[in-house]
Amino acid sequence: SQQGEEDPQALSIQEGENATMNCSYKTSINNLQWYRQNSGRGLVHLILIRSNEREKHSGRLRVTLDTSKKSSSLLITASRAADTASYFCANQAGTALIFGKGTTLSVSS
Amino acid sequence: EAGVAQSPRYKIIEKRQSVAFWCNPISGHATLYWYQQILGQGPKLLIQFQNNGVVDDSQLPKDRFSAERLKGVDSTLKIQPAKLEDSAVYLCASSLGGSAMHNEQFFGPGTRLTVL
Repeated sequence: SQQGEEDPQALSIQEGENATMNCSYKTSINNLQWYRQNSGRGLVHLILIRSNEREKHSGRLRVTLDTSKKSSSLLITASRAADTASYFCANQAGTALIFGKGTTLSVSS
Repeated sequence: EAGVAQSPRYKIIEKRQSVAFWCNPISGHATLYWYQQILGQGPKLLIQFQNNGVVDDSQLPKDRFSAERLKGVDSTLKIQPAKLEDSAVYLCASSLGGSAMHNEQFFGPGTRLTVL
């Protein structure tokens, strides 16, 4: 399987804390994307980092990419209860997206 | 801007029955994708269309699954006959183009299928 892996599988934090999720993938990539999925809703695109980029920021999100280690991390700063969701990384080689199994984040107030 | 529309949202059928899902992508999006998401896993691509042509259907179980995108807009995904292991959420997504390397995909709310 080409499916990547997220780590940890589940994460519980308090509001205001930072959350870090890691992702490993198996193939060479054009880009790596992070998506969020709330309970009962579809996937929402969060951020895309290209294979020639090492770090990218968007609001409270910070993504890093290490192509030599085939890994990426997503940092959510100053978390809120509304950040409670499942987070997936997806690597794109060609036109297809290959999703990992996801990290379930719970943020309690 | 309207998002990706899918129907029905929920479907319960018995094994060996047939079922069809419908997807209307974002207007102007050339590429349409169908994904299967089993509980506790990430989405898995079933089929990708570029306009009304198939780009990738390597993971589509063609003995029971079929999909079409007539006129390069709406798409239907059919399962006939359904098996218990087909219970999953079926997600439709669209993007502006499939040939470019950096395309954001926009997902619909999904159809949750339960096969009894």
